[in-house]
Amino acid sequence: GAGVSQTPSNKVTEKGKYVELRCDPISGHTALYWYRQSLGQGPEFLIYFQGTGAADDSGLPNDRFFAVRPEGSVSTLKIQRTERGDSAVYLCASSPTAGGTEAFFGQGTRLTVV
Amino acid sequence: ILNVEQSPQSLHVQEGDSTNFTCSFPSSNFYALHWYRWETAKSPEALFVMTLNGDEKKKGRISATLNTKEGYSYLYIKGSQPEDSATYLCAFIADSWGKLQFGAGTQVVVTP
Repeated sequence: GAGVSQTPSNKVTEKGKYVELRCDPISGHTALYWYRQSLGQGPEFLIYFQGTGAADDSGLPNDRFFAVRPEGSVSTLKIQRTERGDSAVYLCASSPTAGGTEAFFGQGTRLTVV
Repeated sequence: ILNVEQSPQSLHVQEGDSTNFTCSFPSSNFYALHWYRWETAKSPEALFVMTLNGDEKKKGRISATLNTKEGYSYLYIKGSQPEDSATYLCAFIADSWGKLQFGAGTQVVVTP
């Protein structure tokens, strides 16, 4: 069956530009998470959706970052006025429900801000 | 321990040898611990979901133990094979929302 799909797989953008990263979770999974992995570190939590609502956005680093999940399926992470420090691999994961169940990850979007 | 820590950062193992590495996590507010394997150019893949103190789980040649009272988990690879080469991430979960708090990972390289 289809896994979690993330597009694009790679994105190079100029400093100051706006980018959107898309995540298509496994069908029927209500929980969706975004993580960011910078070089040499483990993935860091950004935001958690339960259905359409952002239940926890405490990991978003500042107000340039925003994410939506309008129909409770596909999610888009939006970054305004990108900075070189935003360069990282952005991972999306989904789970059938919240809690300690296994998370299913996409392959990530590698964002490079030049 | 306030954060999730993994050691060592990297391991080089000869094919056929066994190895193990550690994940340390906060011993309070424990909900679950996950282990993931992340191969280059692939998605992180769940190996184990562990919830009970004393849990021992096994998948083929890979196994894991959990001690929630002292806040550590070990992952063991028996008879390492080149296909075991990957970064192994542990992730601590403190509540029912399932937010993963990752360690930095242990990179394992198995050489023939």
